[in-house]
Amino acid sequence: AQTVTQSQPEMSVQEAETVTLSCTYDTSENNYYLFWYKQPPSRQMILVIRQEAYKQQNATENRFSVNFQKAAKSFSLKISDSQLGDTAMYFCACRDNYGQNFVFGPGTRLSALP
Amino acid sequence: ETGVTQTPRHLVMGMTNKKSLKCEQHLGHNAMYWYKQSAKKPLELMFVYNFKEQTENNSVPSRFSPECPNSSHLFLHLHTLQPEDSALYLCASSRESSGGAYNEQFFGPGTRLTVL
Repeated sequence: AQTVTQSQPEMSVQEAETVTLSCTYDTSENNYYLFWYKQPPSRQMILVIRQEAYKQQNATENRFSVNFQKAAKSFSLKISDSQLGDTAMYFCACRDNYGQNFVFGPGTRLSALP
Repeated sequence: ETGVTQTPRHLVMGMTNKKSLKCEQHLGHNAMYWYKQSAKKPLELMFVYNFKEQTENNSVPSRFSPECPNSSHLFLHLHTLQPEDSALYLCASSRESSGGAYNEQFFGPGTRLTVL
């Protein structure tokens, strides 16, 4: 069974600064996928970025990038040039190649401050 | 944000009531999911439907009964719930293909359920 851990329940970042959210996971699968989802206050959960475990290159989506360390089973999210709209709960998730069992971490509440 | 819709958005019910949550996806996906999101707990997967067949049931109490009449609609029927069942219930959908893929899930806005 997969497990996902997010060790930072809450974080804050000043506007225009950079913040890194931590995520570690455990899985017995060799082929799996990792995701970061964002859930703004009272709004829908949306995908921020995803990473295939077989790819060594770190995924990047505009201001969002990941640091994927497969051996350490670590998948951190870096948000650059933070904006007030980045305020949200951020969930790290893992799924294996064949199952549909997404396992989510407990989330990190990020507050972007002016 | 209209790809996956959920109704109602808020629901208050007594422990003896029977109610249903509805989810509809307009994305042409073939898999749908129910999640329970409680305060200070990780998102919990409840049920998975793939091509209208239930493929996962993560030890959910029988007072929760899912129904998937077609690939676009998913229901969660509720009866004799407990106060600890109060939570945000999220529906999601994805396009699954044979051989596996990293297909993301698209989420609805959720139904905030309060059981009195």
